[in-house]
Amino acid sequence: QVQLQESGPGLVKPSQTLSLTCTVSGDSISSGDYYWSWVRQPPGKGLEWIAYIYYSGNTYYNPSLKSRVTISVDTSKNQFSLKLSSVTAADTAVYYCARVWRSTYTIDYWGQGTLVTVSS
Amino acid sequence: SYELTQPPSVSVSPGQTASIICSGDKLDYKYASWYQQKPGQSPVLVIYEDTKRPAGIPERFSGSKSGNTATLTISGTQAMDEADYYCQAWESSTVVFGGGTKLTVL
Repeated sequence: QVQLQESGPGLVKPSQTLSLTCTVSGDSISSGDYYWSWVRQPPGKGLEWIAYIYYSGNTYYNPSLKSRVTISVDTSKNQFSLKLSSVTAADTAVYYCARVWRSTYTIDYWGQGTLVTVSS
Repeated sequence: SYELTQPPSVSVSPGQTASIICSGDKLDYKYASWYQQKPGQSPVLVIYEDTKRPAGIPERFSGSKSGNTATLTISGTQAMDEADYYCQAWESSTVVFGGGTKLTVL
């Protein structure tokens, strides 16, 4: 059974950098069939795709966030990570990590999500 | 940027059929997926590749597509189906979600 678990600070100050890590179990990030992705959901609002990465390091970003986002992968730890810089209150959201099929961009597994609040 | 449009809300009586639509430019050339999200929970895949149902998803959930509109249909809707539903597709190597539809079972 594939499991994804987000970890990182739940509180970030405005203008600082949000950093999250997703640990994958039950599957190898180096499996060539999937992308590994971050999705967020502001309180009471819809889902917003942030970025995804292939195990080789190829990255794809939401154009609206691209200037502030970095996604990276550590295959030795079976983890991938998100950094979002210059955060504001608008970046307050539940952040999910997820597995995406390369063939059809279907998201079949999601982490439980972690709430990140941007506040001083 | 690419957009998927869903109605904000749909209401259905228990036992009746609920239909949630999702429209987008050239959606007929893309696969649509559907996710169910209950309060405080992560989304769950209920339909993929327009019409396929993952293991463990009840048969009352079905998907279809005609032209630029994908439809999620829930037959014999139950109270437990009350949730937010999101469609999703991709465009130019980016993932796109619809705005979500709140399904209320009255």
